[in-house]
Amino acid sequence: AQSVAQPEDQVNVAEGNPLTVKCTYSVSGNPYLFWYVQYPNRGLQFLLKYITGDNLVKGSYGFEAEFNKSQTSFHLKKPSALVSDSALYFCAVPRDYKLSFGAGTTVTVRA
Amino acid sequence: NAGVTQTPKFQVLKTGQSMTLQCAQDMNHEYMSWYRQDPGMGLRLIHYSVGAGITDQGEVPNGYNVSRSTTEDFPLRLLSAAPSQTSVYFCASSYRSTGELFFGEGSRLTVL
Repeated sequence: AQSVAQPEDQVNVAEGNPLTVKCTYSVSGNPYLFWYVQYPNRGLQFLLKYITGDNLVKGSYGFEAEFNKSQTSFHLKKPSALVSDSALYFCAVPRDYKLSFGAGTTVTVRA
Repeated sequence: NAGVTQTPKFQVLKTGQSMTLQCAQDMNHEYMSWYRQDPGMGLRLIHYSVGAGITDQGEVPNGYNVSRSTTEDFPLRLLSAAPSQTSVYFCASSYRSTGELFFGEGSRLTVL
């Protein structure tokens, strides 16, 4: 079955430091993979997606994600985190006409 | 450009009451879905639709009904509310099932 896992419930970083949010996947065939962000009291917003092609995918708000087939990972990264990046982040994979989401990772960026 | 609009944003119900959460999108998307979000459990799919007149169950469909009479609207009905249905509900739409999902702002429901 297609699924994703987010091994970290929380990630804390200082502003200006690199930010990484981890996601691993279990997918048969070529995966489609997504990242979404949820700011407090808001709906989810699409950040980026991987279909095929370059392993480094660039998305919104300066985020990028690296697809690694050998490690079955799709980690979200930002070179220099901002306080405004504090939010809940979800990775997701399509499964049977729907998106299956990971449990989410809460990111806190301290000033 | 409204995108996905959900109403109401907040609702308090008593156990046993029924209600409908409304969802409308103006992007002509075929695919629409309802999720509930609970702390520590991520988003769980309740029901989804791949087009007008077609609906199907997701992971947690019990206690909920949906219909899709038009492309634009996808209401979620709670038949007899229970405290376990206290949650934040999100409606989402996309051009296709594997495409980017557009979410509404959410409806926070409390069942007493």
